[in-house]
Amino acid sequence: GDSVTQMEGPVTLSEEAFLTINCTYTATGYPSLFWYVQYPGEGLQLLLKATKADDKGSNKGFEATYRKETTSFHLEKGSVQVSDSAVYFCARGGFKTIFGAGTRLFVKA
Amino acid sequence: SAVISQKPSRDICQRGTSLTIQCQVDSQVTMMFWYRQQPGQSLTLIATANQGSEATYESGFVIDKFPISRPNLTFSTLTVSNMSPEDSSIYLCSVLGTDDKSANTGELFFGEGSRLTVL
Repeated sequence: GDSVTQMEGPVTLSEEAFLTINCTYTATGYPSLFWYVQYPGEGLQLLLKATKADDKGSNKGFEATYRKETTSFHLEKGSVQVSDSAVYFCARGGFKTIFGAGTRLFVKA
Repeated sequence: SAVISQKPSRDICQRGTSLTIQCQVDSQVTMMFWYRQQPGQSLTLIATANQGSEATYESGFVIDKFPISRPNLTFSTLTVSNMSPEDSSIYLCSVLGTDDKSANTGELFFGEGSRLTVL
């Protein structure tokens, strides 16, 4: 069946470091792709999305590009902050949303 | 966008008891989704609650354990019945976003979750 695979965490970075969290998916057709973020003690909220191939979603300095040829949607940020510490979930849209396992990010000051 | 309120936000429960979680949305929606997030895990869809019909349960979840009500287009409840420590999780209510033409955008909006600890 369809699935979403993202890199395991936790990921620990120093402030201002470059972040990449890998995400690949399997799906029939070309579903919308999402990154959600869950800050400590909160529910999930949408970080960014892309609805078709080659689209780039961006928000709060985070970016991800919908790569059809590699079925990937990797999350990147050029300079992370302590406030970015959270769990990040890659997700594939469709009739039912499928979530990756989540990647916990710790950013040290 | 949609604003979702859940309560309780957290609770500590005794084994064998049941707890009902409420979910209120600030707009009318056709489907409401209930997810479980076990400690350190991703989200697992429990069921889809449709107004005016029985909820649709995912594989591994049954109505006797997780009865759901959907009395109107803005409200739903999930009951966790006969709880055991394995039911300790965050339970999340969610709805799909819509655009200005009321088409689904695929984006999910979540409540803040209900964190249950079963002793």
